[in-house]
Amino acid sequence: SQTIHQWPATLVQPVGSPLSLECTVEGTSNPNLYWYRQAAGRGLQLLFYSVGIGQISSEVPQNLSASRPQDRQFILSSKKLLLSDSGFYLCAWRTSGGGSGANVLTFGAGSRLTVL
Amino acid sequence: AQSVTQPDIHITVSEGASLELRCNYSYGATPYLFWYVQSPGQGLQLLLKYFSGDTLVQGIKGFEAEFKRSQSSFNLRKPSVHWSDAAEYFCAVVGLSGTYKYIFGTGTRLKVLA
Repeated sequence: SQTIHQWPATLVQPVGSPLSLECTVEGTSNPNLYWYRQAAGRGLQLLFYSVGIGQISSEVPQNLSASRPQDRQFILSSKKLLLSDSGFYLCAWRTSGGGSGANVLTFGAGSRLTVL
Repeated sequence: AQSVTQPDIHITVSEGASLELRCNYSYGATPYLFWYVQSPGQGLQLLLKYFSGDTLVQGIKGFEAEFKRSQSSFNLRKPSVHWSDAAEYFCAVVGLSGTYKYIFGTGTRLKVLA
């Protein structure tokens, strides 16, 4: 069965420090991968999505970046964190194949980032 | 631009009462439609989805939703709410072709009174 892992689950970082959040999917190949940020009262904001290795689309101008070094790995990074980067970050995947699960977005458990 | 509107930020109902959460979308064509639920500090879990066919769809935990094309709506309903239904609910849409960007509403937080 397919599973999605995110880590770390919780992170407290000072302003100006770097960030790396990792997401890994198991049990599927060539998934579409997504990073969302959830801030209080703002719902889910799509940050990045990827349809394949090295293919990243950015939705929101910001100091965050994403990379997809392997088929089932998606990394969210920042060189220097801002206070406004605090939030709950969710990784998700969508199968690009057919079947009953097609076109359904499946989420990881999330990573809570607090920037102080 | 594509958008999803959930007009109710907070809803409070008594246990056993019926529930309806509203969702309206703006899209160039009929998209795929979803409802997700999120418990505090957790990821999102799919409740139900609409792709085509019967406009009344059944989901998990006793939830159902009705797609109304004329109103661009996809409201979520439950005939009798349980205390465990207290959570945040998100409506989402995605286009049928191209980039598969899933757009979410701002969510409705449900509180259930005992």
